[in-house]
Amino acid sequence: QVLLQESGPGLVKPSETLSLTCTVSGGAVSGNYWSWIRQPPGKGLEWIGFIYSTGSTNYNPSLKSRVTMSVETSKNQFSLNLSSVTAADTAVYYCARRTEYGSGYYHMDVWGQGTTVIVSS
Amino acid sequence: DIQMTQSPSSLSASVGDRVTITCRASQSISNHLNWYQQKPGKAPKLLIYSASSLQSGVPSRFSGSGSGTDFILTISSLQPEDFATYYCQQSYSIPRTFGQGTKVEIK
Repeated sequence: QVLLQESGPGLVKPSETLSLTCTVSGGAVSGNYWSWIRQPPGKGLEWIGFIYSTGSTNYNPSLKSRVTMSVETSKNQFSLNLSSVTAADTAVYYCARRTEYGSGYYHMDVWGQGTTVIVSS
Repeated sequence: DIQMTQSPSSLSASVGDRVTITCRASQSISNHLNWYQQKPGKAPKLLIYSASSLQSGVPSRFSGSGSGTDFILTISSLQPEDFATYYCQQSYSIPRTFGQGTKVEIK
């Protein structure tokens, strides 16, 4: 059973960089796609992007200029960096596994529990 | 971006009721549509993928249908543990987008 666990600072100052890590257990980072999704307080879900285990990425254009994702297969982890944060980046951040069904059909079938990040001075 | 619109935004229902939630895409997405359930303070959980395929371990009272731009999530007989918020999500194009959510509350 694959389990995901997000970790990182719960408080980030405005203009600084938010850095989160997702640790994968019960399975391998290699050979899979991994996603980040966020949810502002009381609001809906926003897809941030995904990364393949080789390092290829695809980001939400609305965040692309500020987002960097990376993967560290030796640690079975992948990470999210979001630069120049503002209060609007305050949210619960989730990591998830993207799975393909058949050819070209994708869904996120395993999710971490989420980690709350507050942007405040 | 493809806009996903759910209706209703919220509904009240009783245990045993049949519940339907609609999701409409701003353009055709074939059947590249997933449904998630989220309970307060918890991560979303995949219910239905590719519009109508039931995720392993999900009760058979959940079903999905639709293709193109219009999709439906049906709960055939609402159970106490089904009170939650439901989201549709398209996986047809980048960026992936979600509906705004439908909150199912106890009547």
